Amino acid sequence: EAQVTQNPRYLITVTGKKLTVTCSQNMNHEYMSWYRQDPGLGLRQIYYSMNVEVTDKGDVPEGYKVSRKEKRNFPLILESPSPNQTSLYFCASRVRDGVTQYFGPGTRLLVL
Amino acid sequence: AQSVTQLGSHVSVSEGALVLLRCNYSSSVPPYLFWYVQYPNQGLQLLLKYTSAATLVKGINGFEAEFKKSETSFHLTKPSAHMSDAAEYFCAVSDISPGNTPLVFGKGTRLSVIA
Repeated sequence: EAQVTQNPRYLITVTGKKLTVTCSQNMNHEYMSWYRQDPGLGLRQIYYSMNVEVTDKGDVPEGYKVSRKEKRNFPLILESPSPNQTSLYFCASRVRDGVTQYFGPGTRLLVL
Repeated sequence: AQSVTQLGSHVSVSEGALVLLRCNYSSSVPPYLFWYVQYPNQGLQLLLKYTSAATLVKGINGFEAEFKKSETSFHLTKPSAHMSDAAEYFCAVSDISPGNTPLVFGKGTRLSVIA
């Protein structure tokens, strides 16, 4: 089944404790992206990647890092999480010049 | 810069009634437009999309939307609401140029369906 998977689905952590949210897709998509969803704000792009080893900032990149060492994986790294990063995070992918993005199930993060 | 405005953060309809969720976009050129649905505790599912073909777009679950360039609108409709339609709906826009074309989302409209 073609899908985007994220792990973990739920995470509670404390301020300053490094964490990684994994994202994997099995559709051979070149483009991958991370969004965060906050009440009343919709979804906003954090980082994106056009292909392996090619990443760039989206609209709200502060406090996040990403890497793209393999085509299928695009982990989101929070080096020193803070409470304002409490949010629902979505990973998405599409073919390079495609139109439709396919979303993962989301990761709900709470930073205490 | 592109932007999307969804009128009404919460819409409530009776079961069997017409569903109308409003979306207006701001873009210098006709963009691609999307409606996504998010059921409770689930991810985003694509309902339908407009990519400069037919202006009336039919999607899944009986939903459709009409692209109106003169009104810069892409409202979502369904003739008869069902209880299972209760969810949050997001309108989104993206540029048609290649490269990074992030989806710019509206703030969402929560649809409640009353029995």
